[in-house]
Amino acid sequence: NAGVTQTPKFRVLKTGQSMTLLCAQDMNHEYMYWYRQDPGMGLRLIHYSVGEGTTAKGEVPDGYNVSRLKKQNFLLGLESAAPSQTSVYFCASSVRLHEQYFGPGTRLTVT
Amino acid sequence: GQSLEQPSEVTAVEGAIVQINCTYQTSGFYGLSWYQQHDGGAPTFLSYNALDGLEETGRFSSFLSRSDSYGYLLLQELQMKDSASYFCAVRDNAAGTALIFGKGTTLSVSS
Repeated sequence: NAGVTQTPKFRVLKTGQSMTLLCAQDMNHEYMYWYRQDPGMGLRLIHYSVGEGTTAKGEVPDGYNVSRLKKQNFLLGLESAAPSQTSVYFCASSVRLHEQYFGPGTRLTVT
Repeated sequence: GQSLEQPSEVTAVEGAIVQINCTYQTSGFYGLSWYQQHDGGAPTFLSYNALDGLEETGRFSSFLSRSDSYGYLLLQELQMKDSASYFCAVRDNAAGTALIFGKGTTLSVSS
């Protein structure tokens, strides 16, 4: 039982490049979330999904897209990376909204 | 809109008791959650209060007063390993089926 895993762990992009972050969970959770964490800003919700095939915008969705084609996977895409997207990205999943299980994070730097 | 306020930093010594406060303003209220995050790591769920009163889990307790829109996390018999960031989080109607996190309180425990 691996819980929530994220790929990759680290990435450096140049401005304008694209990439996809993968989140996978093996707990059969319906809910999945993508957050970004910046110093002093706490966790800010980017997008979330309440089930396979569904997605919704969070607090800071601009510049990101997501897909939930399979229940266990939640993908976060950056179409044209900007330096403002330098951050640590966390994925989480849950059965109950208030009790979320987080992945180890992806540290992204955009130069 | 929604907002959560918690102190940015708290310091204490080993063996002491520390209280981390959280005040919230939301449209609709479903409960208050607490998460712990060690430096660079994944946030982990600590506790949840849906009703007024105190919930105890080992050395950690969490309290909620819905009439005051206020809660706190109480850490007893502090240990060095409790040095971490602590986040309160609530669900808000405007955020949909998602949590809004406070900016976090950094607890430093010294010997």
